[in-house]
Amino acid sequence: DVKVTQSSRYLVKRTGEKVFLECVQDMDHENMFWYRQDPGLGLRLIYFSYDVKMKEKGDIPEGYSVSREKKERFSLILESASTNQTSMYLCASSPPPHYEQYFGPGTRLTVT
Amino acid sequence: RKEVEQDPGPFNVPEGATVAFNCTYSNSASQSFFWYRQDCRKEPKLLMSVYSSGNEDGRFTAQLNRASQYISLLIRDSKLSDSATYLCVVRLNTGGFKTIFGAGTRLFVKA
Repeated sequence: DVKVTQSSRYLVKRTGEKVFLECVQDMDHENMFWYRQDPGLGLRLIYFSYDVKMKEKGDIPEGYSVSREKKERFSLILESASTNQTSMYLCASSPPPHYEQYFGPGTRLTVT
Repeated sequence: RKEVEQDPGPFNVPEGATVAFNCTYSNSASQSFFWYRQDCRKEPKLLMSVYSSGNEDGRFTAQLNRASQYISLLIRDSKLSDSATYLCVVRLNTGGFKTIFGAGTRLFVKA
């Protein structure tokens, strides 16, 4: 079974704090993704990575950065958290050949 | 127009009913197709990949019509535990890894 884990299920941070969200997958997948999910807006892609040290912007990268130093780990960084970044953050990894995505349990981030 | 459109729902059905979800996609570069289920406040989980010949997994049947750019999911003999949001997902063959998630259709199965 594919296993994707995320560092926290719930997180509360203050405006302006730097926030790190970590994601680890144990299936040696090259492709990893970060999404946020908000009511009425569905899943929106923030960043993805198709290899170590490689990253591509998704649909809503503003205010976020990512790091992929090891194949199994993909980190999402909020440089200066803002209240509009309060959301559910979902990490996924994806294997060939069909590239279906396997999600971690999500991190519900609240920025106050 | 959204790239992936699903029935808006919600669907309210009694236990034992058969329910069908429809999904249309607009990009002809669509290559792979999936149905996911998402329980409230949980992550999406892969339910089925959809193959061009159609495929079945127990009470669930998925169909793909490439000519009409249409995907369906049929659930037979609905259970209370089938209550969830069902997401239609399409992966494009555009040289990258663009995957588009539908907004989802909420299903409530009642006793």
